[in-house]
Amino acid sequence: GENVEQHPSTLSVQEGDSAVIKCTYSDSASNYFPWYKQELGKGPQLIIDIRSNVGEKKDQRIAVTLNKTAKHFSLHITETQPEDSAVYFCAAPDSSYKLIFGSGTRLLVRP
Amino acid sequence: EAQVTQNPRYLITVTGKKLTVTCSQNMNHEYMSWYRQDPGLGLRQIYYSMNVEVTDKGDVPEGYKVSRKEKRNFPLILESPSPNQTSLYFCASSLYGGPNEQFFGPGTRLTVL
Repeated sequence: GENVEQHPSTLSVQEGDSAVIKCTYSDSASNYFPWYKQELGKGPQLIIDIRSNVGEKKDQRIAVTLNKTAKHFSLHITETQPEDSAVYFCAAPDSSYKLIFGSGTRLLVRP
Repeated sequence: EAQVTQNPRYLITVTGKKLTVTCSQNMNHEYMSWYRQDPGLGLRQIYYSMNVEVTDKGDVPEGYKVSRKEKRNFPLILESPSPNQTSLYFCASSLYGGPNEQFFGPGTRLTVL
């Protein structure tokens, strides 16, 4: 079945710097890669996703890149702000289209 | 407002005392799911439902039951809770199963003593 590994588990950056979170997956048939943001006391919320027919997708300060050959995808946040502080989860579907989540990255943006 | 609601938000109980966590969505979604979140383990799926009267096991179904009698509701039942079920639980829904955005509820923090 699908296995998703996420790194790092914690990340601390200075406000204005960039943050990168990386995930690898095992099932080469996976074709959908979402990223969720979980703020303190709330449920996860989708912030961006990418499908396997593209290599990069941007939405303002966030972007996701996908390397299908290497089976990894990354979340890039530029010009980080304190409100970006949260836990971020990557995910990939298994063969039955069930989402398998990574273990999460706690991002802290220092003012 | 389109949303997924869960109740209760916090619950402390004792081993063996049956409990139900309710989940409701107002988006007419067909797919609903329950996850548990534990430190270092991310979100693990407990059960899911593709539509009314259709439910299936996720990755960690032991000790849990679900039902889907109505499209909007998907309660999670712990018949005999144990301390290893102490966790943060999330209900989620999406229009259909598969590669689609999932909308999560606010979570239920359960402690089993």
